[in-house]
Amino acid sequence: KQEVTQIPAALSVPEGENLVLNCSFTDSAIYNLQWFRQDPGKGLTSLLLIQSSQREQTSGRLNASLDKSSGRSTLYIAASQPGDSATYLCALQGGSEKLVFGKGTKLTVNP
Amino acid sequence: DTEVTQTPKHLVMGMTNKKSLKCEQHMGHRAMYWYKQKAKKPPELMFVYSYEKLSINESVPSRFSPECPNSSLLNLHLHALQPEDSALYLCASSQDRTGAGYTFGSGTRLTVV
Repeated sequence: KQEVTQIPAALSVPEGENLVLNCSFTDSAIYNLQWFRQDPGKGLTSLLLIQSSQREQTSGRLNASLDKSSGRSTLYIAASQPGDSATYLCALQGGSEKLVFGKGTKLTVNP
Repeated sequence: DTEVTQTPKHLVMGMTNKKSLKCEQHMGHRAMYWYKQKAKKPPELMFVYSYEKLSINESVPSRFSPECPNSSLLNLHLHALQPEDSALYLCASSQDRTGAGYTFGSGTRLTVV
């Protein structure tokens, strides 16, 4: 059974800092890994999708990496801004349509 | 159009009511999903409608009933819900089973009184 762990559970940083969010998983047989952002009471916004054959994806200030052999993914956020404050969820799709989520990292960027 | 549209955004219903949540996508995706999310928890899969076949999470109570009128619509019918069913209900779609990634709607905040 796939298990996804996100560390840390919460993170508070000053504006402008670079930061890394971590995601680990137990089963390397995955189709893809997706990072989402969720604002309080809102739906999920897809940030980056990494297919199984890829090592990383970049979008603006965001960079996500995938290392299947070690069962890890990281989301790097450069030059953080208060608007980046949200909960970040890592999710994997394995042998079925089902997405398996981590519990998320709640990020607060202080002005 | 790269969105998944959910209506209503908010719903308050009594335990004897019957209501429906609606979800629509026009991206040509072949798979659609309903997820339930309780406060400060990750989303949990309820139903998958993929290639005209419905898959049900066996832990979901029968008071939740999905319906797929066509490949762009996925409804969730609610009947005789309990207060513990209050949650954010998220609809999502993906291109195919292996998922070129999921697209989520903005959710329906359901409160059962």
